[in-house]
Amino acid sequence: IAGITQAPTSQILAAGRRMTLRCTQDMRHNAMYWYRQDLGLGLRLIHYSNTAGTTGKGEVPDGYSVSRANTDDFPLTLASAVPSQTSVYFCASSDYPSGGEQFFGPGTRLTVL
Amino acid sequence: QQQVKQSPQSLIVQKGGISIINCAYENTAFDYFPWYQQFPGKGPALLIAIRPDVSEKKEGRFTISFNKSAKQFSLHIMDSQPGDSATYFCAAERGGATNKLIFGTGTLLAVQP
Repeated sequence: IAGITQAPTSQILAAGRRMTLRCTQDMRHNAMYWYRQDLGLGLRLIHYSNTAGTTGKGEVPDGYSVSRANTDDFPLTLASAVPSQTSVYFCASSDYPSGGEQFFGPGTRLTVL
Repeated sequence: QQQVKQSPQSLIVQKGGISIINCAYENTAFDYFPWYQQFPGKGPALLIAIRPDVSEKKEGRFTISFNKSAKQFSLHIMDSQPGDSATYFCAAERGGATNKLIFGTGTLLAVQP
């Protein structure tokens, strides 16, 4: 069982380019999340999805979009990347609505130049 | 504003010592308080969690102490080992099946042999 996989592992991107970070889970969890991790700021929620077909905004949604066409996949898109989006991005999943533990992927390190 | 405040930012402990990390929260609607452990290059993983109906929860060498009136909770690592060296995040979740965690800013723990 892989749990959560993310791709790519790392990426260097020119400012203004479009980028999609991929996330796939095999635990059949209803809820999925995208966080960014920055030194001194901890983990901040970008977008979330409680069930397939629904999405919601987190703390820092500006500049990002998500879609949830099915249970397993939850891609995060940066339409026009800016240097402030340089960060490590983590995808996570959990049961919903029972809540509790969130399972995290290995992360994507993104650098926007 | 930071809804969950974590301290210290970094901590150095000798092997066999006690590591203590503190968190404070503001929103009394929070009803789930997990601690996550993150090793370099990995995603965070749930370490231990508590709900406000108890004041303490212990799992092996890890203990959460919870003070509802003070709106504070802390992680104690007894007999700290070099393998405990990691970044620790406290978090809080509001009741009502939101499944959305608010994370602290993290504590980098180094346990010296």
